[in-house]
Amino acid sequence: DQQVKQNSPSLSVQEGRISILNCDYTNSMFDYFLWYKKYPAEGPTFLISISSIKDKNEDGRFTVFLNKSAKHLSLHIVPSQPGDSAVYFCAANGGGDDKIIFGKGTRLHILP
Amino acid sequence: KAGVTQTPRYLIKTRGQQVTLSCSPISGHRSVSWYQQTPGQGLQFLFEYFSETQRNKGNFPGRFSGRQFSNSRSEMNVSTLELGDSALYLCASSLAAGNTYEQYFGPGTRLTVT
Repeated sequence: DQQVKQNSPSLSVQEGRISILNCDYTNSMFDYFLWYKKYPAEGPTFLISISSIKDKNEDGRFTVFLNKSAKHLSLHIVPSQPGDSAVYFCAANGGGDDKIIFGKGTRLHILP
Repeated sequence: KAGVTQTPRYLIKTRGQQVTLSCSPISGHRSVSWYQQTPGQGLQFLFEYFSETQRNKGNFPGRFSGRQFSNSRSEMNVSTLELGDSALYLCASSLAAGNTYEQYFGPGTRLTVT
């Protein structure tokens, strides 16, 4: 049973426009959510996080929104840049243990 | 400060063999976690070691094992390899145990089982 779901395997967005990556979760005990970015041949790198006591966290071009009632979070990137082309993983923590549960990832393509 | 290093970067093994992968954490980091990444399942947690002790374990069969040394370097071992074990194996280090948002990942070891 997948506790963290990223239902879009890939997404293409025009350069300069907004990229919105979505993530759903099932475990209401999760209290911390993270987004990681991964380039080919590199390990994932931490991008941005949000605690369950907040509904929004912003860091430069990246904003994460959390809707606890819907068990849904999204990552907004604006404006999208060519270097944003990567695989983005949503992850959650706090579901009863210290494990981080990752989604399957969404591949973002930024089109010129 | 040097990042997390993993060796080897690429490995080809035959079904039934065993393999050992190595991870050197960032200097000063005492926690090492291992993940398996496959196209169908994304990133899945294998186990976490802290101060030479396994703190946490994911839902993988006993063929997957690991250990951590006194210098915090960690190895993971997979015995009796199966075709489905082909994956990218990532390790991540952090200063403290369970420090989820301060994890730094290595580049991974790409294991291919034929």
